[in-house]
Amino acid sequence: DTGVSQNPRHKITKRGQNVTFRCDPISEHNRLYWYRQTLGQGPEFLTYFQNEAQLEKSRLLSDRFSAERPKGSFSTLEIQRTEQGDSAMYLCASSLMGGRGYTFGSGTRLTVV
Amino acid sequence: GEDVEQSLFLSVREGDSSVINCTYTDSSSTYLYWYKQEPGAGLQLLTYIFSNMDMKQDQRLTVLLNKKDKHLSLRIADTQTGDSAIYFCAESPARGSYIPTFGRGTSLIVHP
Repeated sequence: DTGVSQNPRHKITKRGQNVTFRCDPISEHNRLYWYRQTLGQGPEFLTYFQNEAQLEKSRLLSDRFSAERPKGSFSTLEIQRTEQGDSAMYLCASSLMGGRGYTFGSGTRLTVV
Repeated sequence: GEDVEQSLFLSVREGDSSVINCTYTDSSSTYLYWYKQEPGAGLQLLTYIFSNMDMKQDQRLTVLLNKKDKHLSLRIADTQTGDSAIYFCAESPARGSYIPTFGRGTSLIVHP
């Protein structure tokens, strides 16, 4: 197992376009988290899955954001009608059980121009 | 809600010890973490401690927890230039979603 994998590593898009990111967690991990990190800030929670169920969403996750984890394995995060304020690093993390530490991917850096 | 505070910068000389401090607000039983982030990379878990412990040591890293003051520290012994990075403190509740809340990070600069 190579850890948590995120694709693409970088994405540049024009304002108004839709983008989709993918996260492949560690295979036996049933919990998957999405975070957003802007420059000079710590990661901010967006949403969390346990298996295929999306159990919690942050107020940061506007209607333009949607996340799925259809078979309880990989997850996708889609942003529709991107805005310049969406420019950030999007991080995915997974864990086997709560609380014992989370493995993060390297992130997808989104730049909206 | 939870809030995690850290000082933003720390500069140390190579070979000295570094101490990075963090305060948190959640008074319920909780897990507390230290993560390291190098430029352009994701977060690497360094260590974690449960709130019923007051100390944990792992090689050059020592975590101290003062639960009464809700103060967490990370000591790095014999700091090396490769330790230069941003260090994040995080805490999560010990049940339910276990969603970690992160501080803004402390940028550690190690100079020769």
